[in-house]
Formats: sequence, structure tokens, C-alpha cells
Amino acid sequence: AQSVSQHNHHVILSEAASLELGCNYSYGGTVNLFWYVQYPGQHLQLLLKYFSGDPLVKGIKGFEAEFIKSKFSFNLRKPSVQWSDTAEYFCAVNPRGQNFVFGPGTRLSVLP
Amino acid sequence: SAVISQKPSRDICQRGTSLTIQCQVDSQVTMMFWYRQQPGQSLTLIATANQGSEATYESGFVIDKFPISRPNLTFSTLTVSNMSPEDSSIYLCSVGTSSYNEQFFGPGTRLTVL
Repeated sequence: AQSVSQHNHHVILSEAASLELGCNYSYGGTVNLFWYVQYPGQHLQLLLKYFSGDPLVKGIKGFEAEFIKSKFSFNLRKPSVQWSDTAEYFCAVNPRGQNFVFGPGTRLSVLP
Repeated sequence: SAVISQKPSRDICQRGTSLTIQCQVDSQVTMMFWYRQQPGQSLTLIATANQGSEATYESGFVIDKFPISRPNLTFSTLTVSNMSPEDSSIYLCSVGTSSYNEQFFGPGTRLTVL
């Protein structure tokens, strides 16, 4: 079965630090890739998505992600985090024609 | 994007009872999905609900436990039947234009079963 792994369960950073959250998946075919964010007390929101084309995709709030097909990875990055980025981040993989598979999530805590 | 509302936002229920969760979308959508997010865990798809057809359930979820209705293109319900404390979770509705486009999520229903 397809699976999605996220490298870190909990990441703690200081404001202005750089962020990289890892995401790897096991499906070998064509996939759509997503990062969702869940701020405390709020519902899931789409940060960014990759369907095809440029493997470096930019999302909202200064986030970007890079799709590396050979590594089955879709890592999320932000050059300088803010306290307001404190949230749970979920990577999701959608093999074409199949349903979404979500990763276990990474909790990000940004210290002011 | 679509605006999605869910009712109730939270509930505390007794063991053995049932709860119906409503999901309302502000526009017509092809596909609606129901997920479960257990405490501290990721999202697990329960079923896909398409208007005019029976819901499609994922492995580990059955219609008798989680009956779903999809009477039109803007509304769906999920019932959690004969509840036990293990059903305590957040139940999320999401919508999409197909199974492989982005999905938009509702605010969730937080269910606690005593």
C-alpha cells in the first residue's frame, strides 16, 4: 500500500530560522502532491500543490516545496519562519485516479 | 475554493448512541469526502460520497457503522452509529472537483464518546 512519511514529528525553531520539513512517499506512478497546514483551532488549509511542470512550487505565506522524483520526496521550505507559522503541517500524496494519502503530520513550534 | 460548514462543531455522546454530522458547501461539487482524524494522528479517509450513487468506503470502514447520504451536490451527512469511546475523533468533510485535484476541508466535528 502507498504510504507517506514525514521526517519529523515535532520541530522547534526560533523566529527567523530556516525551515525544511521532509516528506517521502512510496508510490511509483504519477502523483499529485500537496502540503496542508492546520493552525491551532483552525481547519486544514492548502499551502501549495504540485501537479506537473516546474518541480519548485511556491505557495502562500512564503512557503515553497521541491519535488524530487528520483527521491520520491516533496520537502517543504521557508527561509525565515515567524511565530505565526506555529501549526501542524501535513504532506499529502494523491496517486492519479486514487484517493489522497496523508502523512502523519509534523508539529512546528516557533519560539518568539 | 469552496466554503464548507459542518454541524455540529462538537458533541459529547453516550456509548451506544448515534450522531449525524452534516456538511454543507456553498457551491455544487462533484466529490465529497469524509475523513477521521484521531487525537494526535493524521487524516484517514472513511469514504467518498458522490451524488446519486452509493458511497465508496475505504478498508476498515463499513456502511453499517458509518452510513453516508449525499442527496444533492451541496450537502452530505455522515452518521457514526452505535458509538464507542474509540470513535472519539475529529470528523472532517472535504470537497473536490475530482479525486485528483486539491481538496478543501471543513472545520471538522469534534466527537467525544463517553
